[in-house]
Amino acid sequence: DQQVKQNSPSLSVQEGRISILNCDYTNSMFDYFLWYKKYPAEGPTFLISISSIKDKNEDGRFTVFLNKSAKHLSLHIVPSQPGDSAVYFCAASIIGAAGNKLTFGGGTRVLVKP
Amino acid sequence: ETGVTQTPRHLVMGMTNKKSLKCEQHLGHNAMYWYKQSAKKPLELMFVYNFKEQTENNSVPSRFSPECPNSSHLFLHLHTLQPEDSALYLCASSQTETNEKLFFGSGTQLSVL
Repeated sequence: DQQVKQNSPSLSVQEGRISILNCDYTNSMFDYFLWYKKYPAEGPTFLISISSIKDKNEDGRFTVFLNKSAKHLSLHIVPSQPGDSAVYFCAASIIGAAGNKLTFGGGTRVLVKP
Repeated sequence: ETGVTQTPRHLVMGMTNKKSLKCEQHLGHNAMYWYKQSAKKPLELMFVYNFKEQTENNSVPSRFSPECPNSSHLFLHLHTLQPEDSALYLCASSQTETNEKLFFGSGTQLSVL
């Protein structure tokens, strides 16, 4: 049973428009959430994170929103650029849990068209 | 020099072979991890090492044998693998095992014939 789900396997968006990636989780114990970005032939790289005490975190063009009651988070990329074309993974964890049990979603492939 | 380096990038092996994957991190981190990414599946945690000691084995079959000689190096020894073990194997590190920000290597794409 997947505790973290990304229900959209792919997303296509025009350059300059907004990309919205969604992620749902089932474990109410999760209190820290991260987004990773992965280019082909490279490992995932950390993008942005949010703890459960916040409902929004912004870093440049990237904003993550957290809705704890709905157990839902989203990543907004504004404006989208061709270099943003990659696979995006959301991940969740329990802060301070030994063994760093990051639980990942299955990923969403984003294609930004020029 | 990238932060986390994995070798080889690609590996093809038969079911009777023995091979090893190598990971080295240059970030001064104390925790290292092996993850597996199978086709169309989320990343799965395999092993966690903290200060060279194994702290997590996520029910991984014994045909996968990790080794962590120091905080900078991590190996995954493979023997008598099955075709379903074909996957991308990713190494990662973090400051400590309770620090959620992981730094990943580029991975080894493994094919078992």
